[in-house]
Amino acid sequence: RKEVEQDPGPFNVPEGATVAFNCTYSNSASQSFFWYRQDCRKEPKLLMSVYSSGNEDGRFTAQLNRASQYISLLIRDSKLSDSATYLCVVRGNAGNMLTFGGGTRLMVKP
Amino acid sequence: NAGVTQTPKFRVLKTGQSMTLLCAQDMNHEYMYWYRQDPGMGLRLIHYSVGEGTTAKGEVPDGYNVSRLKKQNFLLGLESAAPSQTSVYFCASSAVQETQYFGPGTRLLVL
Repeated sequence: RKEVEQDPGPFNVPEGATVAFNCTYSNSASQSFFWYRQDCRKEPKLLMSVYSSGNEDGRFTAQLNRASQYISLLIRDSKLSDSATYLCVVRGNAGNMLTFGGGTRLMVKP
Repeated sequence: NAGVTQTPKFRVLKTGQSMTLLCAQDMNHEYMYWYRQDPGMGLRLIHYSVGEGTTAKGEVPDGYNVSRLKKQNFLLGLESAAPSQTSVYFCASSAVQETQYFGPGTRLLVL
């Protein structure tokens, strides 16, 4: 079993739609959680950290459920520019090592 | 402020050839990392460094060596390239326990 699992998609949604991605992780000792965004043929970039109480950044909402060991990302009012791959990332309890999920691809259509 | 840069951007090798990938950062970060990214696999950590002169193995270190002689540079070497090392290689850097910033990647094709 992969340490961090994501549905690879693609998720095809129209502009303005709301879309949600989930991610599960296997290491219950994981300390920190993130969503990264990766555009085609580009490097990953931090989208947002995920906090236990849930957090929002504009149209993006991230939530963490430690008991079930899953993380979610909700995107409201999707834009064409949201088309990308979203990587679920987990940091363990030693050092600053990150474990990446395989990514979920989102395609927003006009 | 260039952030993290990688050289070269693209390279084609024949099986058995060697090469070195260079990563440079200008953010005075202590930690540096080398990852590879393959379709459907996500990024996997090859080697990392927590400071000048120190290196450690990551998840998939076999077939690679690294050196961190200067704080701002992290080199990844392939002594004898194999087709299984065809991949996109990303370097990253971070301050201690902080966000990792990635370079633009190096696409390597081994024939």
